[in-house]
Amino acid sequence: GQQVMQIPQYQHVQEGEDFTTYCNSSTTLSNIQWYKQRPGGHPVFLIQLVKSGEVKKQKRLTFQFGEAKKNSSLHITATQTTDVGTYFCAGLSNSGYALNFGKGTSLLVTP
Amino acid sequence: DVKVTQSSRYLVKRTGEKVFLECVQDMDHENMFWYRQDPGLGLRLIYFSYDVKMKEKGDIPEGYSVSREKKERFSLILESASTNQTSMYLCASSHDGYEQYFGPGTRLTVT
Repeated sequence: GQQVMQIPQYQHVQEGEDFTTYCNSSTTLSNIQWYKQRPGGHPVFLIQLVKSGEVKKQKRLTFQFGEAKKNSSLHITATQTTDVGTYFCAGLSNSGYALNFGKGTSLLVTP
Repeated sequence: DVKVTQSSRYLVKRTGEKVFLECVQDMDHENMFWYRQDPGLGLRLIYFSYDVKMKEKGDIPEGYSVSREKKERFSLILESASTNQTSMYLCASSHDGYEQYFGPGTRLTVT
């Protein structure tokens, strides 16, 4: 079935450095969603990308959807300690209802 | 604000016990989901439901069943708990095609 692969699994950066996580699918995605889970918390929706080549920004976060709609990335500029957490991408499954989640990238930011 | 609640934050059960995990959402969402989350494995879908009394198996349904008698409530049942079912269980809900809202999670320990 459809699989969503996410890399890297872990990333440790100094505060102020940039961070990027990448998401790749074996099949074309109708859309892709990104979630953030703080330590001890639950996943919280960040954004959804639908169009080929789409780029969306939320303050220091930039989300991209590939032209072929098979890959996506999340880039954080000048990380802060509040960015700590695990970032998940997710694509809509063949069922049309459920999401296939990547395994996530855990970000640690050292002051 | 959408609110998804789960019956317990922490639960300790013995091997062989029947376990019920309850999830309630207050936003009239059609779709509800049960995931388990384990370190390094990300979010894995157990079951989902797209309507009352309708259910679909996810990626790891073995050892679990579900019940959805009312739109707002989705229950996960472990018929005979085993130690390999020790995990964090997350419930989520959504409208068709939109983001998922997660509950706070239930950390289940089976001894």
